[in-house]
Amino acid sequence: GAVVSQHPSRVICKSGTSVKIECRSLDFQATTMFWYRQFPKKSLMLMATSNEGSKATYEQGVEKDKFLINHASLTLSTLTVTSAHPEDSSFYICSAYGDLEATDTQYFGPGTRLTVL
Amino acid sequence: GESVGLHLPTLSVQEGDNSIINCAYSNSASDYFIWYKQESGKGPQFIIDIRSNMDKRQGQRVTVLLNKTVKHLSLQIAATQPGDSAVYFCAENTGGFKTIFGAGTRLFVKA
Repeated sequence: GAVVSQHPSRVICKSGTSVKIECRSLDFQATTMFWYRQFPKKSLMLMATSNEGSKATYEQGVEKDKFLINHASLTLSTLTVTSAHPEDSSFYICSAYGDLEATDTQYFGPGTRLTVL
Repeated sequence: GESVGLHLPTLSVQEGDNSIINCAYSNSASDYFIWYKQESGKGPQFIIDIRSNMDKRQGQRVTVLLNKTVKHLSLQIAATQPGDSAVYFCAENTGGFKTIFGAGTRLFVKA
C-alpha cells in the first residue's frame, strides 16, 4: 500500500527557533498534500492544503507567515514552524492525496511530535 | 458552522463483542465519508469509506452504515479484539478533497 513518511518523528527545540518537518510520499506522486495539527486527546485540525508548484491554501486562523509550507516536488512537502513558541507544541501530521487505484483516499504520515521549550 | 461530530467520547466493550461507533454530520453537501483508526502517537489509519450514493459498505470485520436522512454515520466492528483499542474518527470530504475530522471516540476492549 501507499506509504507516507515524516521526518523527524520527534523534535525538541528552544523557543524562538525554526523547525522544518518533511512529508514524503514514498511510492506514489502526490499532487496534493495536507498538513494537520493535533493537540492531546483532540481531533486533527486541518492547517493547510499544499499543492505541488503553487502556494499553499491555509485554513482560517492559521498564520501563513508562521507555518511556511513548500511543496517543491510531487513527493515532498515541508512545513516550517518559524519562531516557535511553547504553544506551537503539538503533533503535526501530513497526508498525501494521489490518484491511486481510482480512489480518493488520503494516506497519512506517522506524525511529528514537536515540543518547544 | 458545518461540522462532523460524535455522540460518545468513549466506548468500552468486551473482547469478542461487537462495537458500534456513531457519528453525526451536518454538511448535507458532503458526499464521501471515511472512518480512521488512530493509535497513540501514530497517524490515522484508513479503515473504510463510503460514498453518499450507498447506505452500507462492508469490509473485513467492519461495516459502515450511512443514513443521509438523519445525517448519521456508524462504524460496526465485529468480534472486537484487543488490537482494536484505539481512537476512531469519522471524517467527511468536502470540495477539493479536504478531509474534516470529527471529535473522535476512544474504544477500550476489555479482555
